Amino acid sequence: QVQLQESGPGLVKPAQTLSLTCSVSGGSINNDSYYWSWIRQPPGKVLEWLGYVHARGNPYYNVSLQSRLTMSMDKSQNQFSLRLTSVTAADTAVYYCARHLGASFDLWGQGILVTVSS
Amino acid sequence: EIVLTQSPGTLSLSPGETAILSCRASQRVSNKYFAWYQHKPGQPPRLLVFGTLKRATGVPDRFSGSGSGTDFTLTISRLEPEDFALYYCQQFDSTSWTFGQGTKVEV
Repeated sequence: QVQLQESGPGLVKPAQTLSLTCSVSGGSINNDSYYWSWIRQPPGKVLEWLGYVHARGNPYYNVSLQSRLTMSMDKSQNQFSLRLTSVTAADTAVYYCARHLGASFDLWGQGILVTVSS
Repeated sequence: EIVLTQSPGTLSLSPGETAILSCRASQRVSNKYFAWYQHKPGQPPRLLVFGTLKRATGVPDRFSGSGSGTDFTLTISRLEPEDFALYYCQQFDSTSWTFGQGTKVEV
């Protein structure tokens, strides 16, 4: 079955760039039916959708973060990625990658805790 | 941005009882674009209900969703030990997705 797995550094210094990758196994991300999102949850706070990529078309971002956010797909590696620049402590969160078909997220990665600290 | 407010924050129940979880939206939400998730510690959220009342694959029929407009409900009948968890509601308003703050169902 399709599985998603996040990877990347667990610690990022303030003002630096947070980079994460989601590896997809058991299915292709080059599939018109699905969209691939990043979602995060700061400690004790609400889940926040960050943006998505799709096999056809440009990435789409949460307007509150779009000035710092870049998402991309690597179809040859069956992966998609997130870059968040100029991070602060407020970006400390568990970051999830997730698949959606329509308006709900039917498959999630395990999540990765990223801490922003010097 | 549509804000989702869930109530109660915590629901203390026993196995076999019925849990009724509420989610209120700050603006009207299309039934097509409303969902519920179950979240357990150390695991990713699990989709339970989408399109307000459709159960996701493998979800037992003791989970049922209902509602419309700004008020939505998740009912869990005959609580099983594995149902004690955190539950989130979620909506999509054609520009972005937002989630509620969660209801914890505890023993």
